[in-house]
Amino acid sequence: DTEVTQTPKHLVMGMTNKKSLKCEQHMGHRAMYWYKQKAKKPPELMFVYSYEKLSINESVPSRFSPECPNSSLLNLHLHALQPEDSALYLCASSPSTGTSSGTQYFGPGTRLLVL
Amino acid sequence: GQQLNQNPQSMFIQEGEDVSMNCTSSSIFNTWLWYKQDPGEGPVLLIALYKAGELTSNGRLTAQFGITRKDSFLNISASIPSDVGIYFCAGYTGANSKLTFGKGITLSVRP
Repeated sequence: DTEVTQTPKHLVMGMTNKKSLKCEQHMGHRAMYWYKQKAKKPPELMFVYSYEKLSINESVPSRFSPECPNSSLLNLHLHALQPEDSALYLCASSPSTGTSSGTQYFGPGTRLLVL
Repeated sequence: GQQLNQNPQSMFIQEGEDVSMNCTSSSIFNTWLWYKQDPGEGPVLLIALYKAGELTSNGRLTAQFGITRKDSFLNISASIPSDVGIYFCAGYTGANSKLTFGKGITLSVRP
């Protein structure tokens, strides 16, 4: 099973709202990732968690707050977003980080629209 | 910096034709990954390559890890309409744990 699940599939929120994106994997992977993707562009890395600890933050604005409650779950808390934050948000997981064990499997994404 | 070059941006082929796309870099990569993405969905891993010279197949797809470690190619044989999508190459250089992506090639298949 190489499945990463994400909820919700679609999300519309106002600029004053607080919402959360959820990601889950049951492959025993110890690395999990959040990406942001604009139309027809490659995914852009936001955060990396390795063994439930935040290891990389790509200078993401504080209105995005990641959380890794356990090795299977990854959340992205959203607050006071801007319309330019509208995008497809992808979660991915890999056995570990690094070249030989870093093969990433992506979830289906959450399509976010900020009004 | 580490960049992966994928050209052209779009490819148009006839159903039943074979197509080859490559990915090049000026940096050495230790792992090459090929993904396909359908509109509104997440990228799906097609093939992973871990050794220079490695040739791997997945059904009608074949990919190779270049011996210089600076390139990789993906071949699709006997294309079908469901091959339509964006094909991304990606890789690790070993310098850090970040995956570098190419800009992607949009494939269209005419029936």
